[in-house]
Amino acid sequence: DIVMTQSPDSLAVSLGERATINCKSSQNVLYRVNNKNYLGWYQQKPGQPPKLLIYWASTRESGVPDRFSGSGSETDFTLTINSLQAEDVAIYYCQQYYTTPRTFGQGTKVEV
Amino acid sequence: QVQVQQWGAGLLKPSETLSLTCAVYGGSFSGYYWSWIRQPPGKGLEWIGEIHPSGSTNYNPSLEGRVTISVDTSKNQFSLKLNSVTAADTAVYYCARGADNAKTGDYWGQGTLVTVSS
Repeated sequence: DIVMTQSPDSLAVSLGERATINCKSSQNVLYRVNNKNYLGWYQQKPGQPPKLLIYWASTRESGVPDRFSGSGSETDFTLTINSLQAEDVAIYYCQQYYTTPRTFGQGTKVEV
Repeated sequence: QVQVQQWGAGLLKPSETLSLTCAVYGGSFSGYYWSWIRQPPGKGLEWIGEIHPSGSTNYNPSLEGRVTISVDTSKNQFSLKLNSVTAADTAVYYCARGADNAKTGDYWGQGTLVTVSS
C-alpha cells in the first residue's frame, strides 16, 4: 500500500495569513503517460463529508476559492491556503488515487 | 447535478452484517467507479473499496474477505456489505463517486453512522 504522511498534524494560523500543509507519499503517484499526479486534497468540517478541493495535485475543483492551491510532484505535495478565512477552519486530507487501495493521509487540523 | 443518497442500518451487534446502499441521481453512473469510505469517530478516513458498473471491484486488503461491494445498474445504486462486524467497525460510512481519469471524491453521500455494540 502507498502510505500518505501529512505534516504537521495541526497548525494555528492567524486570519489573513497563509497555511501550508505537506503530504508525502511512500511511492511515486505521477502517471508518466499523461504527466499527471494522482493526488487529491479534501477539506472536512465537523459533521460533513469531505469536500474535494484539488485534484491532479494542482487543479482546483470547480467552485473552490482561488486562495486554495496545490503543488508538488511524484512524492511530495503541498496544499497552501492564502489569506486564511474563518470558514477555512477544518481538517484537510490528502489522498492518492494512483493505485488501490486509494489511501489517505492522517489529516491536518487547521485552526485560527 | 449529481446527488448521492445513502441509507442502511445504524446499529448492529457484534458478528452481524453491515449493509448500506447508495443511490446516484443525475450525471453519468456508468462512466465512473463508485466507492465506500469510512471514518471512525474522531479519526481519519479509510478507503474500503470501489466498484465500476461493469462489475469490476477493488477492495482494501485490510478488509478483504469480509467486504462485498455490489451494483445494480438498473437503479443506479451500489451497496456495501461487511460481515462479522466488531466494535472496531464502528464508524461513519460514506459512499462517494470514485476515480475516473482525472479525479475522485467529487460527490459524496451524507454519511451513515454505524455503531456496533452488544
